[in-house]
Amino acid sequence: VQLVESGGGLVQPGGSLRLSCAASGFTFSSYAMSWVRQAPGKGLEWVSGISGTGSTTYYADSVKGRFTTSRDNSKNTLYLQMNSLRAEDTAVYYCAKDPLTTVTNAFDIWGQGTMVTVSS
Amino acid sequence: DIQMTQSPSSLSASVGDRVTITCQASQDISNYLNWYQQKPGKAPNLLIYDASNLQTGVPSRFSGSGSGTDFTFTISSLQPEDIATYYCQHYDNLPPTFGPGTKVDIK
Repeated sequence: VQLVESGGGLVQPGGSLRLSCAASGFTFSSYAMSWVRQAPGKGLEWVSGISGTGSTTYYADSVKGRFTTSRDNSKNTLYLQMNSLRAEDTAVYYCAKDPLTTVTNAFDIWGQGTMVTVSS
Repeated sequence: DIQMTQSPSSLSASVGDRVTITCQASQDISNYLNWYQQKPGKAPNLLIYDASNLQTGVPSRFSGSGSGTDFTFTISSLQPEDIATYYCQHYDNLPPTFGPGTKVDIK
C-alpha cells in the first residue's frame, strides 16, 4: 500500500497549484481520501476529504472556496486544486487514506508529502 | 470545532522508562480517537486507533486508553527509535482535528 504525492513547489501569492497523489496496493475507489497539511515547525491540519466515489467532498473553513479536491478512480489518483494561494497555505501537504470503506476521517496510510511554498 | 489538547508538550525520559501522554477533547468524542507518531522529516504513522486498538505491525509497548473526553497514550518501555512527536486526533465529526503534539526525546 503506497501513496505518492507530487506537484508541490514555489508559487506567488494569489497563484494556483495542483497536487496529485498516486495510490497503489489497494482498491483505491473503495476508500475515502483526505489531504492533511503541516506548516513548517507546526502541527497537523486536516484540509479536505472526499468519498470513495468522489460524489462528496469536505473542506476546512480555511480553504473552502479556494481549494477543490477530486479523484480519478480509473487512474488511482487523488487531486488537490489550490487557487488564490496565501502565505499561510505554505506547508507540507500529505494525502492520507481512510481505514474503512465508509468515511471516518481517520487516516491509516499517509504519503511522504509534498512541499508547497507561497511567497513572492 | 472540537479542540484537542495534549500534555505535556515535550518530555525527556531514559531508555526503558514508562512514558505517558494525555489528550483531552473539548467535548465527548466516544472512542473516536487515533494516536500517530511522526519522526522528523517523515509522514505521521498510525499507532493506535479507536482509542485503544494497536495498529497492525506496531510494537506492543505502545498502548492507548480512554473514552469520552480523556485519553492516555503510553510507551511501556521507551526505546531510542521512539524519539518522535506524538499526536492525538479525533474523528467524531467534521472537521477532524489534531492535538498540538508531544515531543519525546531521550534523556
